[in-house]
Amino acid sequence: DQQVKQNSPSLSVQEGRISILNCDYTNSMFDYFLWYKKYPAEGPTFLISISSIKDKNEDGRFTVFLNKSAKHLSLHIVPSQPGDSAVYFCAASVQEYGNKLVFGAGTILRVKS
Amino acid sequence: GAVVSQHPSRVICKSGTSVKIECRSLDFQATTMFWYRQFPKQSLMLMATSNEGSKATYEQGVEKDKFLINHASLTLSTLTVTSAHPEDSSFYICSASGGGYTQYFGPGTRLTVL
Repeated sequence: DQQVKQNSPSLSVQEGRISILNCDYTNSMFDYFLWYKKYPAEGPTFLISISSIKDKNEDGRFTVFLNKSAKHLSLHIVPSQPGDSAVYFCAASVQEYGNKLVFGAGTILRVKS
Repeated sequence: GAVVSQHPSRVICKSGTSVKIECRSLDFQATTMFWYRQFPKQSLMLMATSNEGSKATYEQGVEKDKFLINHASLTLSTLTVTSAHPEDSSFYICSASGGGYTQYFGPGTRLTVL
Protein backbone atom coordinates (compact mmCIF):
# COMPACT_ATOMS: atom_id res chain seq x y z
CA ASP A 1 0.00 0.00 0.00
CA GLN A 2 1.64 3.20 -1.15
CA GLN A 3 1.02 5.77 1.53
CA VAL A 4 2.81 8.58 -0.29
CA LYS A 5 2.18 9.00 -3.98
CA GLN A 6 3.81 11.15 -6.59
CA ASN A 7 1.67 10.47 -9.61
CA SER A 8 3.71 12.41 -12.13
CA PRO A 9 6.87 10.50 -13.00
CA SER A 10 8.31 13.51 -14.82
CA LEU A 11 7.83 17.20 -15.43
CA SER A 12 9.42 19.50 -17.97
CA VAL A 13 9.51 23.26 -17.41
CA GLN A 14 11.07 26.21 -19.17
CA GLU A 15 13.78 28.11 -17.32
CA GLY A 16 12.33 31.05 -15.41
CA ARG A 17 8.87 29.57 -15.15
CA ILE A 18 7.26 27.95 -12.14
CA SER A 19 7.69 24.23 -11.40
CA ILE A 20 4.90 22.59 -9.42
CA LEU A 21 5.52 19.14 -8.03
CA ASN A 22 2.63 17.31 -6.43
CA CYS A 23 2.31 14.70 -3.73
CA ASP A 24 -0.69 12.89 -2.24
CA TYR A 25 -0.83 10.83 0.90
CA THR A 26 -3.32 8.44 2.44
CA ASN A 27 -2.30 8.22 6.09
CA SER A 28 -3.97 11.00 8.08
CA MET A 29 -1.55 10.38 10.95
CA PHE A 30 1.36 11.91 9.04
CA ASP A 31 2.36 15.05 10.90
CA TYR A 32 5.43 16.22 9.05
CA PHE A 33 6.26 16.43 5.36
CA LEU A 34 9.55 16.96 3.61
CA TRP A 35 10.84 17.46 0.10
CA TYR A 36 14.20 16.16 -1.02
CA LYS A 37 16.13 16.65 -4.23
CA LYS A 38 18.30 13.89 -5.61
CA TYR A 39 20.87 13.66 -8.39
CA PRO A 40 21.79 10.25 -9.85
CA ALA A 41 24.23 8.25 -7.74
CA GLU A 42 24.02 10.74 -4.88
CA GLY A 43 22.12 10.88 -1.62
CA PRO A 44 18.97 13.03 -1.32
CA THR A 45 19.43 16.65 -0.29
CA PHE A 46 16.91 18.16 2.10
CA LEU A 47 15.03 21.10 0.56
CA ILE A 48 12.12 22.17 2.68
CA SER A 49 9.63 20.80 5.16
CA ILE A 50 6.26 21.59 6.65
CA SER A 51 4.48 20.62 9.81
CA SER A 52 0.88 19.45 9.59
CA ILE A 53 -0.21 22.44 11.67
CA LYS A 54 0.80 24.80 8.86
CA ASP A 55 -0.44 25.19 5.32
CA LYS A 56 2.52 26.98 3.79
CA ASN A 57 6.24 27.24 4.26
CA GLU A 58 8.57 29.31 2.13
CA ASP A 59 12.34 29.28 1.76
CA GLY A 60 13.79 31.35 -1.04
CA ARG A 61 12.64 29.99 -4.40
CA PHE A 62 10.94 27.01 -2.74
CA THR A 63 7.45 27.02 -1.25
CA VAL A 64 5.59 24.02 0.06
CA PHE A 65 1.82 24.06 0.37
CA LEU A 66 -0.15 21.59 2.47
CA ASN A 67 -3.87 20.89 2.05
CA LYS A 68 -4.74 18.53 4.89
CA SER A 69 -8.36 18.05 3.92
CA ALA A 70 -7.30 16.88 0.47
CA LYS A 71 -4.22 15.05 1.83
CA HIS A 72 -2.18 16.85 -0.77
CA LEU A 73 1.01 18.83 -0.76
CA SER A 74 2.90 20.59 -3.48
CA LEU A 75 6.34 22.08 -3.98
CA HIS A 76 6.60 25.27 -5.99
CA ILE A 77 9.93 26.35 -7.43
CA VAL A 78 10.03 29.81 -8.87
CA PRO A 79 11.85 30.84 -10.93
CA SER A 80 13.02 27.42 -12.13
CA GLN A 81 16.69 27.11 -13.05
CA PRO A 82 18.49 24.44 -15.10
CA GLY A 83 20.35 23.39 -11.95
CA ASP A 84 17.01 22.40 -10.43
CA SER A 85 16.86 19.46 -12.84
CA ALA A 86 16.85 16.40 -10.59
CA VAL A 87 14.52 13.85 -9.02
CA TYR A 88 12.30 15.29 -6.30
CA PHE A 89 11.01 13.06 -3.53
CA CYS A 90 8.16 13.84 -1.24
CA ALA A 91 8.39 12.20 2.19
CA ALA A 92 6.09 12.00 5.19
CA SER A 93 6.65 11.15 8.80
CA VAL A 94 4.76 10.30 11.96
CA GLN A 95 6.34 11.11 15.30
CA GLU A 96 4.71 8.03 16.74
CA TYR A 97 6.58 5.83 14.24
CA GLY A 98 9.95 7.14 15.41
CA ASN A 99 10.16 9.77 12.69
CA LYS A 100 10.70 7.20 9.96
CA LEU A 101 10.23 8.67 6.53
CA VAL A 102 7.87 7.22 3.94
CA PHE A 103 8.94 8.28 0.47
CA GLY A 104 7.01 8.78 -2.70
CA ALA A 105 8.30 7.33 -5.95
CA GLY A 106 9.83 10.61 -7.06
CA THR A 107 9.27 13.04 -9.93
CA ILE A 108 11.97 13.82 -12.47
CA LEU A 109 12.11 17.56 -13.09
CA ARG A 110 13.77 18.85 -16.23
CA VAL A 111 14.28 22.57 -16.54
CA LYS A 112 15.01 23.59 -20.11
CA SER A 113 17.11 26.63 -20.84
CA GLY B 1 25.88 22.23 8.64
CA ALA B 2 24.23 18.76 8.78
CA VAL B 3 26.77 16.92 6.68
CA VAL B 4 26.72 13.15 6.47
CA SER B 5 29.47 11.17 4.84
CA GLN B 6 29.55 7.59 3.63
CA HIS B 7 32.48 5.38 2.85
CA PRO B 8 33.21 3.81 0.47
CA SER B 9 31.32 5.50 -2.34
CA ARG B 10 31.69 2.47 -4.54
CA VAL B 11 32.66 -1.13 -3.85
CA ILE B 12 32.93 -4.23 -5.98
CA CYS B 13 33.25 -7.56 -4.24
CA LYS B 14 33.10 -11.26 -4.98
CA SER B 15 30.07 -13.34 -4.10
CA GLY B 16 30.30 -14.76 -0.58
CA THR B 17 32.40 -11.97 0.88
CA SER B 18 31.28 -9.36 3.41
CA VAL B 19 31.29 -5.64 2.87
CA LYS B 20 31.20 -2.88 5.49
CA ILE B 21 29.80 0.57 4.76
CA GLU B 22 30.40 3.45 7.17
CA CYS B 23 28.10 6.39 7.76
CA ARG B 24 29.28 9.40 9.73
CA SER B 25 27.58 12.59 10.81
CA LEU B 26 30.35 15.19 10.54
CA ASP B 27 28.98 18.24 12.32
CA PHE B 28 26.18 17.04 14.55
CA GLN B 29 25.34 14.21 16.89
CA ALA B 30 23.05 11.70 15.30
CA THR B 31 20.78 10.11 17.84
CA THR B 32 19.18 8.05 15.10
CA MET B 33 20.59 6.75 11.84
CA PHE B 34 18.68 5.10 9.06
CA TRP B 35 19.78 2.76 6.29
CA TYR B 36 18.06 2.74 2.92
CA ARG B 37 18.42 0.83 -0.27
CA GLN B 38 17.51 2.13 -3.71
CA PHE B 39 16.95 -0.02 -6.77
CA PRO B 40 17.21 1.55 -10.24
CA LYS B 41 14.38 3.94 -11.00
CA GLN B 42 12.71 3.21 -7.69
CA SER B 43 12.22 5.09 -4.47
CA LEU B 44 14.25 4.70 -1.33
CA MET B 45 13.35 1.66 0.73
CA LEU B 46 14.01 1.88 4.46
CA MET B 47 15.95 -1.14 5.68
CA ALA B 48 16.53 -0.37 9.34
CA THR B 49 16.63 2.27 12.02
CA SER B 50 19.41 2.42 14.58
CA ASN B 51 19.76 4.39 17.77
CA GLU B 52 23.13 4.90 19.39
CA GLY B 53 23.98 2.12 21.78
CA SER B 54 20.99 -0.07 21.05
CA LYS B 55 20.06 -2.76 18.58
CA ALA B 56 18.77 -1.74 15.19
CA THR B 57 15.11 -2.10 14.28
CA TYR B 58 14.68 -3.79 10.93
CA GLU B 59 11.84 -3.29 8.50
CA GLN B 60 9.70 -6.24 7.52
CA GLY B 61 11.40 -8.47 5.01
CA VAL B 62 14.94 -7.28 5.78
CA GLU B 63 17.18 -10.05 7.09
CA LYS B 64 18.97 -8.81 10.20
CA ASP B 65 21.59 -11.57 9.99
CA LYS B 66 22.45 -10.54 6.47
CA PHE B 67 22.52 -6.79 7.05
CA LEU B 68 24.35 -6.17 10.32
CA ILE B 69 24.03 -2.67 11.69
CA ASN B 70 26.16 -1.20 14.45
CA HIS B 71 25.59 2.30 15.83
CA ALA B 72 28.55 2.52 18.13
CA SER B 73 28.64 6.27 18.68
CA LEU B 74 26.61 9.39 18.08
CA THR B 75 28.51 10.03 14.87
CA LEU B 76 29.07 6.60 13.37
CA SER B 77 26.90 3.76 12.13
CA THR B 78 28.04 0.82 10.02
CA LEU B 79 26.18 -1.53 7.74
CA THR B 80 27.81 -4.86 6.98
CA VAL B 81 26.42 -6.91 4.13
CA THR B 82 27.40 -10.45 5.04
CA SER B 83 27.98 -13.20 2.50
CA ALA B 84 27.02 -10.87 -0.30
CA HIS B 85 25.34 -12.21 -3.43
CA PRO B 86 24.65 -10.57 -6.79
CA GLU B 87 21.07 -9.79 -5.74
CA ASP B 88 22.48 -7.60 -2.95
CA SER B 89 23.93 -5.27 -5.57
CA SER B 90 22.26 -1.94 -5.03
CA PHE B 91 22.72 1.67 -3.97
CA TYR B 92 22.83 1.90 -0.17
CA ILE B 93 22.19 5.26 1.47
CA CYS B 94 22.35 6.22 5.11
CA SER B 95 20.73 9.16 6.81
CA ALA B 96 21.12 10.74 10.21
CA SER B 97 18.83 12.69 12.47
CA GLY B 98 19.72 14.82 15.45
CA GLY B 99 16.40 14.09 17.07
CA GLY B 100 14.02 16.06 14.89
CA TYR B 101 12.02 15.01 11.88
CA THR B 102 14.57 15.99 9.27
CA GLN B 103 16.97 13.34 8.08
CA TYR B 104 20.22 14.30 6.39
CA PHE B 105 21.47 11.83 3.85
CA GLY B 106 24.89 10.58 2.97
CA PRO B 107 26.05 10.44 -0.66
CA GLY B 108 25.36 6.73 -0.97
CA THR B 109 27.42 3.62 -1.67
CA ARG B 110 27.14 1.67 -4.89
CA LEU B 111 27.66 -2.02 -4.14
CA THR B 112 28.30 -4.44 -6.97
CA VAL B 113 28.59 -8.13 -6.15
CA LEU B 114 30.14 -10.26 -8.87
